Amino acid sequence: AQTVTQSQPEMSVQEAETVTLSCTYDTSESDYYLFWYKQPPSRQMILVIRQEAYKQQNATENRFSVNFQKAAKSFSLKISDSQLGDAAMYFCAYRSARGTGTASKLTFGTGTRLQVTL
Amino acid sequence: DAGVTQSPTHLIKTRGQQVTLRCSPKSGHDTVSWYQQALGQGPQFIFQYYEEEERQRGNFPDRFSGHQFPNYSSELNVNALLLGDSALYLCASSRLAGGLEQYFGPGTRLTVT
Repeated sequence: AQTVTQSQPEMSVQEAETVTLSCTYDTSESDYYLFWYKQPPSRQMILVIRQEAYKQQNATENRFSVNFQKAAKSFSLKISDSQLGDAAMYFCAYRSARGTGTASKLTFGTGTRLQVTL
Repeated sequence: DAGVTQSPTHLIKTRGQQVTLRCSPKSGHDTVSWYQQALGQGPQFIFQYYEEEERQRGNFPDRFSGHQFPNYSSELNVNALLLGDSALYLCASSRLAGGLEQYFGPGTRLTVT
């Protein structure tokens, strides 16, 4: 079974600064997907960024980028130029690439609460 | 384009009662997954429905059951509620064919007293 670990329950960053959230995972599979989801107080999970394990290039979406280290099973999220609206819970999630559709369950970590201060 | 919708927003039930939660997937999506998110935890996969059948199930007891309708909407039923069932229940929809991403609804907050 796959597991996802987020060892930072809370992080704080000043507005306009950069912060990195950590995530490690354990799997015996070679092909999979990794995601970072944001959950603001409104509770709705919002996809931030996605990484395919077969891709060596790290994914980037505007101010959000990842550092994917497949051998180390590490998947960190870097938020640049932090904004007040970035304050939320951030969840790292794993999805197997085995099969289609029916293998698409997400396995989540316990989350990191990010505070953004002025 | 409407996203994933869930109803009700909040619900309070008594231990031993039964509850039904509802989910309408995003337009064009045919697969619905349900997750339970306890306070301070990450979401835990309950089960997934496609073509009106349960396709995959997480480690949840049989008290948790579901249904998917021809229009792809779905229900989650929980029988014999326990205090430990208090949680945020999230519905996520996706497309079976090529659907890498799951889109989540706002959730239903269930409180069992």
